[in-house]
Order: sequence, then structure tokens, then C-alpha cells
Amino acid sequence: EAQVTQNPRYLITVTGKKLTVTCSQNMNHEYMSWYRQDPGLGLRQIYYSMNVEVTDKGDVPEGYKVSRKEKRNFPLILESPSPNQTSLYFCASTELAGTSGANVLTFGAGSRLTVL
Amino acid sequence: AQKVTQAQTEISVVEKEDVTLDCVYETRDTTYYLFWYKQPPSGELVFLIRRNSFDEQNEISGRYSWNFQKSTSSFNFTITASQVVDSAVYFCALSEPGAGSYQLTFGKGTKLSVIP
Repeated sequence: EAQVTQNPRYLITVTGKKLTVTCSQNMNHEYMSWYRQDPGLGLRQIYYSMNVEVTDKGDVPEGYKVSRKEKRNFPLILESPSPNQTSLYFCASTELAGTSGANVLTFGAGSRLTVL
Repeated sequence: AQKVTQAQTEISVVEKEDVTLDCVYETRDTTYYLFWYKQPPSGELVFLIRRNSFDEQNEISGRYSWNFQKSTSSFNFTITASQVVDSAVYFCALSEPGAGSYQLTFGKGTKLSVIP
């Protein structure tokens, strides 16, 4: 089954304790992205990657890092989490073939992170 | 800069009523794509429809229909004879090929509650 898999789905942590949210897709997609969803703000892009070793900032990158060492994986790293990073996080992917902007993103199931 | 406005934060309807979710967008591009996603209480994001800026035909899929009007920069979503399973948060989103990042700009979402 074609899918984007995120782990963990739920996590409660404390301020300053480094954590990584993993994201893996099995569709051989070039493009991967991370979004965060907050009440009243919708979804906002954190980082994206057009291919292996190619990453760039989205709208809200502060406090996050990403890496793209393999095509299928795009982990989101919070080096020193703070309470304002409490949010619902979504990983998404799509292929780059065809017209830019037309591609439908496939989203993971979401990871709910709470930073105390 | 692109922007998507979903003015209705929450809507409640009684089952079998029709309901329209509004979406107004702003873009400077002549080529762009509009999307609707559904987020049921379980939290995942489900793709519903994509429409490109050159195709103003309305679309119907079962009880769902979409009305795209470039003149008013709107892409409204109507559910006919609503059902309890339609209860969800609905997001309208916009992407612009020129952006190059495949970024989706989301509205803040409309929470629809269908009351039995």
C-alpha cells in the first residue's frame, strides 16, 4: 500500500530534550515536506526537500532541522524543543513529474507532539 | 503572496441539510491549483479535489460539488444532504507553479459538525 509513515504518532516530552520524528514513504517520491497544524492557523510548512541532500526552509523553520540522506526518509529534528512547538505535525510527499504545483500531496497520519 | 481565506470557522447543520463551505483565495499568478482536503476526527488529511485555474467547470462527485469562480476568486464546496460522517475539518489550499517549492498554502479550515 502506498503510504507515508510517521513515528511516533504521539509524544510527550520536556523542554530541551532532543527528539526526532521520522517520516518514510514507499512511493519513490522526490518531494517531501513537513507541516505543522495549530488551532486557528491551519497548516504551515516547516521544511521541504526536492530530492536527496536538497532541503529548504518553509514558512516556519525556526527550531527545526531536517535531513534527506535517503530518498524515502525525511526526519524532522527538534534539537531543543520548547512548549511553542507543541503541535500536530504532518509529513507529506509527492512525485516531481508533471506540472509544478499540480501534484497532490500524500500526507502521513500525523504526529501529535506535546512539549512540557 | 498567495493567501487562502476560509471565513467560516465552524458550521453546524442538521443531518440531511445542504451546507456550503466558502474559500476565497489571493494570487498574482494566472496559473495555479486549488485543493480541498478533509480532516476527520481521526486526524488524517484526505485529498478531495484539485482544480487548475484554467478549468472553471464545476465538479460533482456524489453528494459533493465544487463551484470555482475566477471572477470572485472563490472555490466553494457544497455537501448535499449532509451526513454525520461528513463531520470534519475541511481545508482549502492553493499552490502556484512559479513558487517551485510545491508548497500548499492552506486556509485555516472550517469545522463542520453534522448533528443527527
